[in-house]
Amino acid sequence: DTGVSQDPRHKITKRGQNVTFRCDPISEHNRLYWYRQTLGQGPEFLTYFQNEAQLEKSRLLSDRFSAERPKGSFSTLEIQRTEQGDSAMYLCASSFGGTNEKLFFGSGTQLSVL
Amino acid sequence: GESVGLHLPTLSVQEGDNSIINCAYSNSASDYFIWYKQESGKGPQFIIDIRSNMDKRQGQRVTVLLNKTVKHLSLQIAATQPGDSAVYFCAERLTGANSKLTFGKGITLSVRP
Repeated sequence: DTGVSQDPRHKITKRGQNVTFRCDPISEHNRLYWYRQTLGQGPEFLTYFQNEAQLEKSRLLSDRFSAERPKGSFSTLEIQRTEQGDSAMYLCASSFGGTNEKLFFGSGTQLSVL
Repeated sequence: GESVGLHLPTLSVQEGDNSIINCAYSNSASDYFIWYKQESGKGPQFIIDIRSNMDKRQGQRVTVLLNKTVKHLSLQIAATQPGDSAVYFCAERLTGANSKLTFGKGITLSVRP
């Protein structure tokens, strides 16, 4: 499978715990995005990387959230001291960038904070 | 504020009929638009895109129409099939190479057999 891969698919955690998600983008893609999606809503932008550089972070991304892409390949998204409001689907997408930038999404990690 | 939105939350069509899904956008600075399809438990899947210098683009069974005058985007699906049942999102991107995609709320397409 050469698409975007996310792990785990599902994560259940207790409030206050830390969680980390991983995304493996399509190998040729230099851009990697993280989005968050709640039921019935469209994905909301969180942050993105151009190679290993994190170029933009949304105001939605509180200090408890951190993302890395250390070698410009896979990325991790960590949420510290999880809250019930963090429950959502966390989507990763990758692209070549450019004028007609098409994002290719993974299947997401569904986070449930109890 | 600027937003991307869909007129209707749900659409039910008969198998074999054509479907039209509409989207309104409010940011005149957007120059690129994409339609995505999302099935249950999966991430959004690219369907078709269009740049602001075009008003129509066709793919396999799908057509996207862009009316910049009224800031309206539509997705037409010909001969709708049960496999087309999903949530559909329109997304826009502001002019600029480093601009991100902004998604509207989804509309559910339900195909009746």
